[in-house]
Amino acid sequence: AQSVTQLGSHVSVSEGALVLLRCNYSSSVPPYLFWYVQYPNQGLQLLLKYTTGATLVKGINGFEAEFKKSETSFHLTKPSAHMSDAAEYFCAVSFTGGGNKLTFGTGTQLKVEL
Amino acid sequence: DTGVSQNPRHKITKRGQNVTFRCDPISEHNRLYWYRQTLGQGPEFLTYFQNEAQLEKSRLLSDRFSAERPKGSFSTLEIQRTEQGDSAMYLCASSLVAGKSYTFGSGTRLTVV
Repeated sequence: AQSVTQLGSHVSVSEGALVLLRCNYSSSVPPYLFWYVQYPNQGLQLLLKYTTGATLVKGINGFEAEFKKSETSFHLTKPSAHMSDAAEYFCAVSFTGGGNKLTFGTGTQLKVEL
Repeated sequence: DTGVSQNPRHKITKRGQNVTFRCDPISEHNRLYWYRQTLGQGPEFLTYFQNEAQLEKSRLLSDRFSAERPKGSFSTLEIQRTEQGDSAMYLCASSLVAGKSYTFGSGTRLTVV
C-alpha cells in the first residue's frame, strides 16, 4: 500500500523567501511522485513529476523537487516566493501496475506575506 | 481547448435526490479517473476506466454511486439518494495508458442540503 505524508498543513513565508514544502512517501515498489497546485475552486495543476532518471526535477513557475530514496522524501522548493504562489499544494504517489492511480497527501496551504 | 471538461461546475441538491456529473476527457486519452475531494483533504481515488472498461472501484464508491464511460469517450458519475456526506468536489482526470501524467478538470462541486 502507498501513502503520502505532508508535514505542515499550513506554511507561511515572506515574499522573496525560500519555499520548502515537505513530502514523505511510503511505497513497496518504485514510486512515481508528483506535486500539484490547486487554486480556490479549481482543479489540480501539475507542477512537476519524478518517474525515473534524474532525481532533481524542475517544474513550472520556478519550483523544483528532489527525490531522495534513502529518506523516502520528495520535498518541494522554490528559491524566492511570489504572492501568486499562495495556493494549496498536494504531493501524490503512483506506481506502474496500480492503474497509475494517484494517492494524495492531505495538502499544504501556502501563504505568502508582504 | 483540448483540456478536461467537467459539467456542471456547481450543483446544489436536496438530500435524497439523484445527481449526475459529466466528464469529457482529452480526446486521445484512453484512461479516465474520478476522484473525490472533501474540504481540507487531498483528492481520494474513486474509480477509473480504460477505454469503456471500468477496471477498478474504490471501497469509497458505495452502491449509491455508479460510473459509466460508454464508447470510451465521456464519462458520467451518478449519485443516487444523495446524503450530506456526499458534499465534495468531484474531480475527473485523464491520461494515456502508458503515460505518467494526468490532466485534471476543474471539478464539480456538489452541495447536498
